[in-house]
Amino acid sequence: EVQLVESGGDLVQPGGSLKLSCAASGFTFSSYWMYWVRQAPGKGLVWVSRINRDGSTTTHADSVKGRFTISRDNAKNTLYLQMNSLRAEDTAVYYCARDSYTAPDYWGQGTLVTVSS
Amino acid sequence: DVVMTQSPLSLPVTLGQPASISCRSSQSLVYSDGNTYLSWFQQRPGQSPRRLIYKVSNRDSGVPDRFSGSGSGTDFTLKISRVEAEDVGVYYCMQGTQWPPFTFGQGTKLEIK
Repeated sequence: EVQLVESGGDLVQPGGSLKLSCAASGFTFSSYWMYWVRQAPGKGLVWVSRINRDGSTTTHADSVKGRFTISRDNAKNTLYLQMNSLRAEDTAVYYCARDSYTAPDYWGQGTLVTVSS
Repeated sequence: DVVMTQSPLSLPVTLGQPASISCRSSQSLVYSDGNTYLSWFQQRPGQSPRRLIYKVSNRDSGVPDRFSGSGSGTDFTLKISRVEAEDVGVYYCMQGTQWPPFTFGQGTKLEIK
């Protein structure tokens, strides 16, 4: 069974940093591209980042470029999102998701990031 | 960026009746490999999103056959042949053809009348 379990969400002050993790199991992690997608409270889905199988190619939304970094450790079956210079508008549930046919197929349960003083 | 526009944004449906959601893209979603990377997602209240359809019309494993996707180019449709109570939630389309960025529609909230 495919499982994606996010962790690391927390309350952080504006300008602060946070690192999210996503533990993957039930599939060959190193064979899949992966995503981070976020959802602000009561709002829709927004793509954040995508990474290829070996971590050599990453893409980020303009809204987070230069502040967020997606990475992965295939030996640990774990996806990461390093978030720096956090802003109030980054407040959201962050989902990690597996890629299939250039779209997320399996999603985690999400982890809540709240940016507030 | 490709803008995805869904309609309606709110969809009250009687149990057992059909439902249809439209998704239009600002640019063609046909990729150079001939595929069209348009997907549909369901998000039930309090749950994570779940993919229903990929590449316009391919149902994901475990998705009931009352869900179907169709369309081409810039116009796409998700149809539910007979709405059941468990179908309540928000439905999103998403394009994966012209990225970055990957873009989602605004969401369509389906409720039971």
